[in-house]
Amino acid sequence: GAGVSQSPSNKVTEKGKDVELRCDPISGHTALYWYRQSLGQGLEFLIYFQGNSAPDKSGLPSDRFSAERTGGSVSTLTIQRTQQEDSAVYLCASSLGQVVGETQYFGPGTRLLVL
Amino acid sequence: AQSVTQLGSHVSVSEGALVLLRCNYSSSVPPYLFWYVQYPNQGLQLLLKYTTGATLVKGINGFEAEFKKSETSFHLTKPSAHMSDAAEYFCAVSEGGDSWGKLQFGAGTQVVVTP
Repeated sequence: GAGVSQSPSNKVTEKGKDVELRCDPISGHTALYWYRQSLGQGLEFLIYFQGNSAPDKSGLPSDRFSAERTGGSVSTLTIQRTQQEDSAVYLCASSLGQVVGETQYFGPGTRLLVL
Repeated sequence: AQSVTQLGSHVSVSEGALVLLRCNYSSSVPPYLFWYVQYPNQGLQLLLKYTTGATLVKGINGFEAEFKKSETSFHLTKPSAHMSDAAEYFCAVSEGGDSWGKLQFGAGTQVVVTP
């Protein structure tokens, strides 16, 4: 079946604008994760969802970042008032959501550039 | 708290030579350990993982890793490098519990394979 998909694949925005990044998980996966990959910080965990709930939001870097998931499927990561330091690749992953240590399957990422 | 250290940000190996990528972790509980590979402009792909049981884990593309609790290590090896192994490799740890869905990644090791 289809893997994790993310859109857009690339996004260029101006400082101060809001952006929305979308993630479509693998069908049937109840757990969904957002990570950020940047040159300075490497791969960072942002948030994860079990169904529509977010038990762990500890990685969101500021209150400008928010995420939601509806219908236990698609998730949207929103960054308000973007800053240049938000430039990074945003990766989404999904998993079955059944056991600890299960495999997370990653999408190709959204490359965000804030000018 | 958990953390991951990968020794060497860049490794160069000759085609046919042994590939050895080092990963050490710190964790307050028995960890779940992962190795992911990332090819240019792609998402992450799981190579192998350790959850419980046998400490020597075999993965895709001829890679294997051994969990050594006494050394808090999970080094990745491949007996004979191929040109197609050129990529970035990430070690990751998950503790479960309240951090059920969170993967903590190392900084990554870029592998270059020379003819």
